[in-house]
Order: sequence, then structure tokens, then C-alpha cells
Amino acid sequence: VQLVESGGDLVQPGASLRLSCAASGFTFKNYWMHWVRQAPGKGLVWVSRVSGDGSSITYADSVKGRFTISRDNARNTVYLQMNSLSVEDAAVYYCTRDAAGNIFDVWGQGTMVTVSS
Amino acid sequence: DVVMTQSPLSLPVTLGQPASISCKSSHSLAHTDGNTYLNWFQQRPGQSPRRLIYKVSNRDSGVPDRFSGSGSGTDFTLTVSRVEAEDVGVYYCMQGLHWPRTFGQGTKVEIK
Repeated sequence: VQLVESGGDLVQPGASLRLSCAASGFTFKNYWMHWVRQAPGKGLVWVSRVSGDGSSITYADSVKGRFTISRDNARNTVYLQMNSLSVEDAAVYYCTRDAAGNIFDVWGQGTMVTVSS
Repeated sequence: DVVMTQSPLSLPVTLGQPASISCKSSHSLAHTDGNTYLNWFQQRPGQSPRRLIYKVSNRDSGVPDRFSGSGSGTDFTLTVSRVEAEDVGVYYCMQGLHWPRTFGQGTKVEIK
């Protein structure tokens, strides 16, 4: 069972970025997938989730209207499209999974997003 | 949002001695299905979070039995019976009942 994030980069305020999380070793479509972020030296903050079939999506208020989560079950991959990035969005972004109340039992290694002018 | 409050935020411990972390929720985490949705995570320096305990007291596979969780309703505790060097890191509680999911601030465990 593995989750591998990618796509993190150094961008300027106002820029866009798309993160990816590739899953392997489990039946991807059976799991809700989530993004959780951690600003430098800070704690964990839940960002967004998408249901197994992609039909149900939820966002934290802090990213609503700017971030879009999606998934491709044929590629076993979940995405996070991030627009209008601000310095407050700088963080390591982790993907993790959830099924039938068994929440966040596997995490990826994280991908770092730096927002700076 | 449900507020998760951990204490202490910093915990210096002596090797081989016990350690406890408290986590208090602003709302009950007890579900009508009979479960209470409180989880504990460990984050070692430079690593991703790792789940240790789910539904208050259930240890994840591979987690040493020196780790235990207890509590109910809004008050929970993570206990390490005898701290080892590999236990250094930050510990987070997280509620899994209400949306959005929320974490405690984290408790940094270090060796004296």
C-alpha cells in the first residue's frame, strides 16, 4: 500500500499549481481520498476530500473557491488543483485515505509547496 | 469547527519512564453507532504522520504495545508506558466524527 505525491514547487503569489497523488497496493475506487497540509513548523490541517466515485467533494473554508480536488480511478490518482495561491498556502501537502470510518491509516511522503515573491 | 486541545504542548521525558498526553474535544466524539471517533498520530522528525491509535483505543498494526489510548466523550489520553528513543516526535489527536476533521495542536515529545 503506497501513496506518492508530486507536483510541489516554488511559485509566486497568485500562481496556480496542480498536485498529484498516485496510489498503489489497494482498490483505489473503494476509498475516499483526502489532502492534508502542514505549514512549516506548524500542525496538520485537513484541506479537501473526494469520494470513491468522485461524486462527493468537500473543502476547508480556507481553500473553497480556489482549490479543486479530482480523481482518475483508471490511473489510481487524486489531484489537487490550486489557484490564486497565497503565502498562507505554503506547506507540505499530504494525501491520505479513508474508508468505512477507517480514517487516515496510510499517508504519502508529502510534496512541498512554497509561495514567495 | 470542533476544537481539539492538547496538553502539554511540550513533554520532556526520561527514557524508560511513562508519558501521557491529554486531548480534549469541544464536542462529543461519540457516534450513535457506538463508536467514538478519536485518533492519535505520531510524526517523527522529517517524516510523514503515522496513525497509532484509532477509535480511542485500537492500536494500528506494528504499533508497540507500550502505546495505549483511553477516554470517552470529550476527554482522551495517549499513554506511553516506557518511553524509548524512537518515540521522539510530535503527537496529534484528531477527531473523525465532525466536518471538517480537525487536529490538536500537537505535543512535542523529547528526551531529557
